[in-house]
Amino acid sequence: DTEVTQTPKHLVMGMTNKKSLKCEQHMGHRAMYWYKQKAKKPPELMFVYSYEKLSINESVPSRFSPECPNSSLLNLHLHALQPEDSALYLCASSQDGGPTAYNGYTFGSGTRLTVV
Amino acid sequence: DQQVKQNSPSLSVQEGRISILNCDYTNSMFDYFLWYKKYPAEGPTFLISISSIKDKNEDGRFTVFLNKSAKHLSLHIVPSQPGDSAVYFCAARGPYGGSQGNLIFGKGTKLSVKP
Repeated sequence: DTEVTQTPKHLVMGMTNKKSLKCEQHMGHRAMYWYKQKAKKPPELMFVYSYEKLSINESVPSRFSPECPNSSLLNLHLHALQPEDSALYLCASSQDGGPTAYNGYTFGSGTRLTVV
Repeated sequence: DQQVKQNSPSLSVQEGRISILNCDYTNSMFDYFLWYKKYPAEGPTFLISISSIKDKNEDGRFTVFLNKSAKHLSLHIVPSQPGDSAVYFCAARGPYGGSQGNLIFGKGTKLSVKP
């Protein structure tokens, strides 16, 4: 299995809702990442988990709450989002806390989030 | 301030010709550079990488050139095919520090290969 699987693919939520994005990989990668990508912009790093511990939080608002239940799973809990949070949320994994020389990160297909 | 810059938002090339995508960077401490390809509604897919100690890496139709003195890299696709039409992101890896191993992406260049 050489994939990163993200669910759901699309999500529409109201500003008072609570929802979660899920990410799963079975490649034995020990680092997992959440990126946010707005239209016509590059992916922007949100969180990094290394060996199931949060190692980087790029000053992300607390309405986004990451969780890493085990080495294969990464969640992003969403609460009280704003319309400007609408974006493509990408999960990625890599071998050892950083991209290898060969293939960098493996990205999932993303969750297209719309906040109404 | 952007550390990785792709100054051409789009590029159009005829099928069979060469596509050249450019990327500039500002941080001389980046140790690896990568190119990702992204189709709409999909995550980025790794294409090719190059270590900062090399000046060329080739994989089939794809070649990446690195000019460290100019802090410039380019991706050459020869021959270009319609299936290559996608957004190409240049990315650089920081070698150490709080963002160790994290990739910094350029804004991307949309390549269109016309039959």
